[in-house]
Amino acid sequence: GQNIDQPTEMTATEGAIVQINCTYQTSGFNGLFWYQQHAGEAPTFLSYNVLDGLEEKGRFSSFLSRSKGYSYLLLKELQMKDSASYLCAVRDSNYQLIWGAGTKLIIKP
Amino acid sequence: IAGITQAPTSQILAAGRRMTLRCTQDMRHNAMYWYRQDLGLGLRLIHYSNTAGTTGKGEVPDGYSVSRANTDDFPLTLASAVPSQTSVYFCASSDRGEESDTQYFGPGTRLTVL
Repeated sequence: GQNIDQPTEMTATEGAIVQINCTYQTSGFNGLFWYQQHAGEAPTFLSYNVLDGLEEKGRFSSFLSRSKGYSYLLLKELQMKDSASYLCAVRDSNYQLIWGAGTKLIIKP
Repeated sequence: IAGITQAPTSQILAAGRRMTLRCTQDMRHNAMYWYRQDLGLGLRLIHYSNTAGTTGKGEVPDGYSVSRANTDDFPLTLASAVPSQTSVYFCASSDRGEESDTQYFGPGTRLTVL
């Protein structure tokens, strides 16, 4: 079966750095996405990785290792507004997105 | 403002009733999707449409139907609602011609079936 694993919840301190991991087992791979979802709102696109390596976008970076079936989202200089759920999704061989259950990130002052 | 709109924002529905959730996008995206999101689970694909006039079944299509008469609209119909269809429903769209084919989401409809 297809599976996306992420930690259920993480806690970090304002101003710090946090890494949210995602491991996947899917039938095929056509890209990996990270989305942010604030409580009661829609998911919003953060990053896309299709090749191995690190993609940096401001305070957020996303890393992919296809051979290990592994990705992480790195958030730097954490702000209170970064408190949200972070969703990992992989596009499979059928070109459909398979979603993880999300990681709830709690930022403490 | 370009984007995706959904209606209604929320709805309480008696079991057995018919309900249509509306979704409209003005980005001229060729592909559209319907997901449901339940606590503790990832987003699950209900139905999708790669282009106007075509639709396909996702992971959890039973009890739902869709149509795609034009590029902009993609309504989701529950023919006879059941309590297990209580969920938050998100519509999304994407440009299949774009390399990443990133999906963009509407604000969601919170549906409660009693």
